[in-house]
Amino acid sequence: QSVLTQPPSVSAAPGQRVTISCSGSSSNIGTNYVSWYQHLPGTAPKLLVYENRERPSGIPDRFSGSKSGTSATLGITGLQTGDEADYYCATWDSSLRLVLFGGGTKLTVL
Amino acid sequence: QVPLQESGPRLVKPSETLSLSCSVSGDSIGIYYNSWIRQPAGRGLEWIGRIYVDGSTMYNPNLKSRVTMSVDTSKKDFFLKIRSVTAADSGVYFCARTHPPTEWFDPWGQGTLVTVSS
Repeated sequence: QSVLTQPPSVSAAPGQRVTISCSGSSSNIGTNYVSWYQHLPGTAPKLLVYENRERPSGIPDRFSGSKSGTSATLGITGLQTGDEADYYCATWDSSLRLVLFGGGTKLTVL
Repeated sequence: QVPLQESGPRLVKPSETLSLSCSVSGDSIGIYYNSWIRQPAGRGLEWIGRIYVDGSTMYNPNLKSRVTMSVDTSKKDFFLKIRSVTAADSGVYFCARTHPPTEWFDPWGQGTLVTVSS
């Protein structure tokens, strides 16, 4: 079981909005930056958000990140079938002294 | 973007050493860090550790006793060794450029599947 907790799956219809949560503790999300990744099996994971809410160049503003206390959230608006993938949050844990990944959330666009 | 490419044996016997390399092309290694991350079959991502171009390392404490990372700056290659492997070490291994101090990863390699089996 991961230290960072994500829902195993979320789903929504094309065009709708979905949020993916990532819950941690004071030693990880509470004091460090969060990043988010999109992963299609067999491909290289893609950075979507870094430092809680910053988007790399080339990532559309349909993807957004936020953080409050010991939880972080990835929001995706205007869902497309191409968004179907696994999504992971990640952050440093100051007590464990390592990078933690969430367990991953499978997004299904119905 | 700087492509990263993992390579190494796809099959390793239990108790032996897993060895992988990550080649950086199209750019100098510069001031970047490089991490190794793995994904066991059917499971999520696990950070193994990272290395800087000067050879300094930071490892996942859970794997530290078995892991060694190294770098060849002349060839722009990074290396991973995991000793005394078991089936639990099977999975897809990724290398990824790491951006301290906030520890985000971009870009990633495509990953290479390693199976530990006799």
